[in-house]
Amino acid sequence: DTAVSQTPKYLVTQMGNDKSIKCEQNLGHDTMYWYKQDSKKFLKIMFSYNNKELIINETVPNRFSPKSPDKAHLNLHINSLELGDSAVYFCASSSPGILTFGSGTRLTVV
Amino acid sequence: AQSVAQPEDQVNVAEGNPLTVKCTYSVSGNPYLFWYVQYPNRGLQFLLKYITGDNLVKGSYGFEAEFNKSQTSFHLKKPSALVSDSALYFCAVRDTNSGYALNFGKGTSLLVTP
Repeated sequence: DTAVSQTPKYLVTQMGNDKSIKCEQNLGHDTMYWYKQDSKKFLKIMFSYNNKELIINETVPNRFSPKSPDKAHLNLHINSLELGDSAVYFCASSSPGILTFGSGTRLTVV
Repeated sequence: AQSVAQPEDQVNVAEGNPLTVKCTYSVSGNPYLFWYVQYPNRGLQFLLKYITGDNLVKGSYGFEAEFNKSQTSFHLKKPSALVSDSALYFCAVRDTNSGYALNFGKGTSLLVTP
């Protein structure tokens, strides 16, 4: 069983579209995250979320919004996609301590 | 903010030789430090962590890391490198201001040659 799973694995879309990436974890962790890895492989935290609190990295555009229907899921919605949004997006979850990552979603905006 | 720095973009080592991947940290308070590895087209995998205690931390796949408070370093080491160790290595520190997310260094590409 995959501990943290993301769908889709690849996503190609046009500028201006709205898209979502889904993430599910079966580890029973309380906290989930979204990271963005750019073309230079730099990893940047976008959101931290548990069932009580959302912490947003202040540099993330408000076109990005996380939505959590329940403790095991944290989806990422992106509105009005731009070329600069092209990147690999990683979902992760943790109990206090170690983060477990999904395999990533490669988003290409054309 | 809590941060780490990885001064090397790439480290090259011959198979069988010892390897070191460098990391320095800048934190307020006690550091919670981690190493992760990323293979091509894969997510990040946890290698080891330092919270408190012994300065030499042992992790997965024969890796270890040495915490040095006076030098604010947390270098990753392995006594004998394997070709299969070739990957991208990230040092990270827990950020208590971001829901305990990890702040990552820029990554160091390790290339082990036969």
